[in-house]
Amino acid sequence: GAGVSQTPSNKVTEKGKYVELRCDPISGHTALYWYRQSLGQGPEFLIYFQGTGAADDSGLPNDRFFAVRPEGSVSTLKIQRTERGDSAVYLCASTPGLAGDGDTQYFGPGTRLTVL
Amino acid sequence: SQQGEEDPQALSIQEGENATMNCSYKTSINNLQWYRQNSGRGLVHLILIRSNEREKHSGRLRVTLDTSKKSSSLLITASRAADTASYFCATDGTSYGKLTFGQGTILTVHP
Repeated sequence: GAGVSQTPSNKVTEKGKYVELRCDPISGHTALYWYRQSLGQGPEFLIYFQGTGAADDSGLPNDRFFAVRPEGSVSTLKIQRTERGDSAVYLCASTPGLAGDGDTQYFGPGTRLTVL
Repeated sequence: SQQGEEDPQALSIQEGENATMNCSYKTSINNLQWYRQNSGRGLVHLILIRSNEREKHSGRLRVTLDTSKKSSSLLITASRAADTASYFCATDGTSYGKLTFGQGTILTVHP
């Protein structure tokens, strides 16, 4: 079956612009996670959804970052007034059950965001 | 902030040798997972070990967990050139579902 997909695979934007990154989880997966990975580092947690609601958004760096999952499936990570420091690979993952069951997180290929 | 720390940061070995990577973490955990990443893109789940388990095997992989020392190791036996990748440990303990990753070990296996 299809895995987690993310679009676009690469996004180049200018400082100050608005960007949206999309994640399509595996069909039927309940929980969805966003991570950010800077060069040479491990992924860092941003936010996770249980269904439509954001269960934990403690990793969002500031109020320029926002994510939604209106129908409990596709999620969009939105970044306003982008800064060069936002450049990173943004990873999305999903799990079949409720978060906390120790399920494997299935990761998408990521979106590489470059802010010029 | 990164909870897990992998050791070594980089490891270079010959095909057929064993590769051992270590991970340390700071807080109590529910489980610990190891992931592999090629070319800085998507992560592939390798193995999960729960806090009440001490050792787990999957094919050529062996993972140990010592909760008293807050450490884990990943052993890849009979390595292959295709094992070349970055390997990350990730813990799930501060908040259900929220994985905290280490900085990773870059493994290079020379044919």
